[in-house]
Amino acid sequence: LAKTTQPISMDSYEGQEVNITCSHNNIATNDYITWYQQFPSQGPRFIIQGYKTKVTNEVASLFIPADRKSSTLSLPRVSLSDTAVYYCLVRRNTDKLIFGTGTRLQVFP
Amino acid sequence: GAVVSQHPSWVICKSGTSVKIECRSLDFQATTMFWYRQFPKQSLMLMATSNEGSKATYEQGVEKDKFLINHASLTLSTLTVTSAHPEDSSFYICSAIQEDSTDTQYFGPGTRLTVL
Repeated sequence: LAKTTQPISMDSYEGQEVNITCSHNNIATNDYITWYQQFPSQGPRFIIQGYKTKVTNEVASLFIPADRKSSTLSLPRVSLSDTAVYYCLVRRNTDKLIFGTGTRLQVFP
Repeated sequence: GAVVSQHPSWVICKSGTSVKIECRSLDFQATTMFWYRQFPKQSLMLMATSNEGSKATYEQGVEKDKFLINHASLTLSTLTVTSAHPEDSSFYICSAIQEDSTDTQYFGPGTRLTVL
């Protein structure tokens, strides 16, 4: 399982775009990159997943460079309700997920 | 996305009693489910992998006789905390894999266990 490294915390203001970068230098060929969001006392919520290049959904975008050794979660125009912990994980098919410390995003008014 | 439920959402029990937590995949079948625990201000820690029709696989340091896992159907896995003690108080979260082209893992809302 590839280890991931991401900033422990980030601050932003409402309406700004937030980019959270995750390093996964040991990612393997069959690994996918998955991001989750977690609010206090709730289970993690799936945000987005990708293998290469760029993936976009109604919530976020995920940018993955050609070497796949890092990825960037982009949250457009954050609001106060986006204050949460964001986890970047690398997984292979139905393998178990090992959570790192995540990035604690605080959005200010 | 796929929905995973847990029951109960919270439970308070006396020390020495056993508590069962259910995890259900509501709109998909899941051969594989996982159980995690999370202490305040910490990340999720994987406890075990629950496989339908076979024994669970426990992570190192997790007592299999204390945390009994049963995955009797493709939509239900249960975690029983036996002879619970105050140090078992935690937030227990399950997840299930929706086995399609993406094999995305979806999480339940969690169960808050408090042992008095």
